[in-house]
Formats: sequence, C-alpha cells, structure tokens
Amino acid sequence: ELKVEQNPLFLSMQEGKNYTIYCNYSTTSDRLYWYRQDPGKSLESLFVLLSNGAVKQEGRLMASLDTKARLSTLHITAAVHDLSATYFCAIQYSGGSNYKLTFGKGTLLTVNP
Amino acid sequence: GAVVSQHPSWVICKSGTSVKIECRSLDFQATTMFWYRQFPKQSLMLMATSNEGSKATYEQGVEKDKFLINHASLTLSTLTVTSAHPEDSSFYICSAHRDRGIYEQYFGPGTRLTVT
Repeated sequence: ELKVEQNPLFLSMQEGKNYTIYCNYSTTSDRLYWYRQDPGKSLESLFVLLSNGAVKQEGRLMASLDTKARLSTLHITAAVHDLSATYFCAIQYSGGSNYKLTFGKGTLLTVNP
Repeated sequence: GAVVSQHPSWVICKSGTSVKIECRSLDFQATTMFWYRQFPKQSLMLMATSNEGSKATYEQGVEKDKFLINHASLTLSTLTVTSAHPEDSSFYICSAHRDRGIYEQYFGPGTRLTVT
C-alpha cells in the first residue's frame, strides 16, 4: 500500500522566517505534486516534480525531489501572511492504476505577523 | 486553459434524498476523472476513478450503490449520492486527467454537501 507522510502537520511561523515541510513516500512514484488549499476552497496546483533532483521555485516557495530517499521538500523562504494555508503533497503512481493520486495528511501553515 | 467546473458549489438536502453533483472539463477532454471526499481538517480521500464509457472503479470501503458515478462524455462526470445521510456531509472534489505528456490532474472547485 502506498503511503505518503507529511511533517509537520501543523506549522506556526513568524513572518520573515524560513521553514521546510517534508513529504516521505513508501514506494517508487512517477511524479510528485504539491498543492495549496485555502479554507473552504479546492486545491491549487503549486508544483509537479518529475525526476530525481528536480527543483522548482515560485516566489517564496521551492520544492525539490529526491527519489532515492523517497523524499520531497517544500521550502518556505521569508514567509509572509499570505502563505497561510494547508499544503498537501501527493504521489502519482501509474502502476496500472489510472494515475490516481495518494495524498499526505497536509500541513496547516499559519504565518503570524 | 484546463478549467474544471463543479455544480452545484454547495447543496443542502434532507436525509433520505439523493443529490447529483456534476464535474465538467470546460476546455479539454478528460478520459479519466476522479472523485474525492474531504472531511473537515482532513486530507482528500479518493472515492472512485471514472473512465468515459465504462464503469467507475471504486476504492475499498466506498459503497458503489450509494455513490453512483456516471462518466457520460469526455467532458462530464456525475456523482450521485443516493439516500443521503448526515454522515455523507462533506466536501466533494472532482479532478480531470488530461494527458498532455505530464499527466496532470486539474481540480474542480468542490461541492459542499450538507445533509440535514
């Protein structure tokens, strides 16, 4: 069974600080996604990581993938209040399964002034 | 591009009634759509995979007769919650799969179902 573990599940940080969210998964994966969810809203796609060593950056967020360690990180640089949201990583495993996604439990990020 | 819509965005129904939720890919064809359920402060749980022109594939523990899925065309999938009960109250999100080389899924805005 494919498992995806995120940590921390809750993260409270001050504006201007840096932090990293970790996403571990239990089996080989075709690709890894990071999503953002605001309260009462659906998912917003942030990054898709396709290969070992992949790194993508958008604004204050940077995601990386280490397929050998089965680990992805989402690094937050100089956090601002607008980044407050829940962040999910998800693994897409194609082994005959119609490319369905398995999600981590999510990290609730609160950025305090 | 790659917009997915859901209708309705929210619905309140009485226990025992049925509710239909539509998921449409507006600007692309989706051979596969997925239905997720999300309870408050929890992650998304895949309910079923919907393939155009064939029966849906349900995840373990999801009642097929309660959650009817029909993928009638390459742009429309529907989820019908039959004989709804308060415990079915949840946020239902669909996604549509577009194969353009990187197999992305595009998520709809979600439907908030409240069963009274």
